[in-house]
Amino acid sequence: AQSVTQLGSHVSVSEGALVLLRCNYSSSVPPYLFWYVQYPNQGLQLLLKYTTGATLVKGINGFEAEFKKSETSFHLTKPSAHMSDAAEYFCAVSAYSGNTPLVFGKGTRLSVIA
Amino acid sequence: KAGVTQTPRYLIKTRGQQVTLSCSPISGHRSVSWYQQTPGQGLQFLFEYFSETQRNKGNFPGRFSGRQFSNSRSEMNVSTLELGDSALYLCASSLSPGQGSTEAFFGQGTRLTVV
Repeated sequence: AQSVTQLGSHVSVSEGALVLLRCNYSSSVPPYLFWYVQYPNQGLQLLLKYTTGATLVKGINGFEAEFKKSETSFHLTKPSAHMSDAAEYFCAVSAYSGNTPLVFGKGTRLSVIA
Repeated sequence: KAGVTQTPRYLIKTRGQQVTLSCSPISGHRSVSWYQQTPGQGLQFLFEYFSETQRNKGNFPGRFSGRQFSNSRSEMNVSTLELGDSALYLCASSLSPGQGSTEAFFGQGTRLTVV
């Protein structure tokens, strides 16, 4: 079984500051890991995903995440926050085969202050 | 190409009624999954269909059901609505089963309010 814990339901950063959204997972098998973003009244959009290979994954809009197996973490970062980054971010896990449904964390709402 | 289309976008129903939500996947995608999103429980998996067959089912009561048609369009039905069924229902489509091996594309969702 898989589960995801996102630390912090709400994160607030200043424009231009580093964005760090934390995600820890639990999985009985090697995981596939994902970050999705949701803007108000919208569906989910895939930011990036880790399946196998390089543990540092680059995604859209300048975001990246690093898979750390020893820490069971997959934190999302962006060097410089933009106002347009304000949204809800979800970390998700599925089994390594990718053949199972996504299990989502509770989400972290990111606010960007001008 | 057109994205995932969910209809209707908003719906208000009375407790005890039933409701049907529709999802048209991206052309060529044969897998459709449904998720319920609420402030308290977050995103929870309902079920997944591939080639008209239910492949996986989440932990929801039997009042929640779904089906997929030969053109890959999917519907979900909730009978005997309860206040707690108020939620955003999201549909995701992908080329193949599971949302890990291939990217899952989400629709904008249907906002269901039960009064």
